[in-house]
Amino acid sequence: EPEVTQTPSHQVTQMGQEVILRCVPISNHLYFYWYRQILGQKVEFLVSFYNNEISEKSEIFDDQFSVERPDGSNFTLKIRSTKLEDSAMYFCASGSRGTYEQYFGPGTRLTVT
Amino acid sequence: ILNVEQSPQSLHVQEGDSTNFTCSFPSSNFYALHWYRWETAKSPEALFVMTLNGDEKKKGRISATLNTKEGYSYLYIKGSQPEDSATYLCAPVPNGNKLVFGAGTILRVKS
Repeated sequence: EPEVTQTPSHQVTQMGQEVILRCVPISNHLYFYWYRQILGQKVEFLVSFYNNEISEKSEIFDDQFSVERPDGSNFTLKIRSTKLEDSAMYFCASGSRGTYEQYFGPGTRLTVT
Repeated sequence: ILNVEQSPQSLHVQEGDSTNFTCSFPSSNFYALHWYRWETAKSPEALFVMTLNGDEKKKGRISATLNTKEGYSYLYIKGSQPEDSATYLCAPVPNGNKLVFGAGTILRVKS
């Protein structure tokens, strides 16, 4: 069964460093999303992406964040200069046209020290 | 900010018990509601997507109902098994495709 994959499973970085979180969505999906969950809090929406552009973003998704679909299979989230409060589990999801369904990857745990 | 409430926060039941949880959300600006089952270190697993008032969906021993007019959804598990232990998340979609998650209900089934 097709699934969303994410790498790495755990990333440790120092404050101020750039990180790139990678996702491979399900191959025929057209809608892509990033969510995150800070420990002890709810899963929260960051950004949605369709047709090679951002379709919606939350207040969290400021200028430090960017997304890209560089090669037609990967979908990446970049954080330019990480802060301690960026420590969270980051989930990628993808969905197909005509349905509301979103399929999630297993997440990348980002730890900023 | 959409306020999504799930209750109870956690639940411990014996194997064979049936159980149910609630998701409540503002009834205005509703497009759809998702239920996910999430085990630690795994991907959240999509259980149901519901869109219409009165919708009832079933998958094995798990079923869900939706009332969009009063803003709630129930998830039922019949004859709980230890493998049902997980966090159950609901996520209404108020607009577009953005999921707004509740805090989840943690279910532990003892054998």
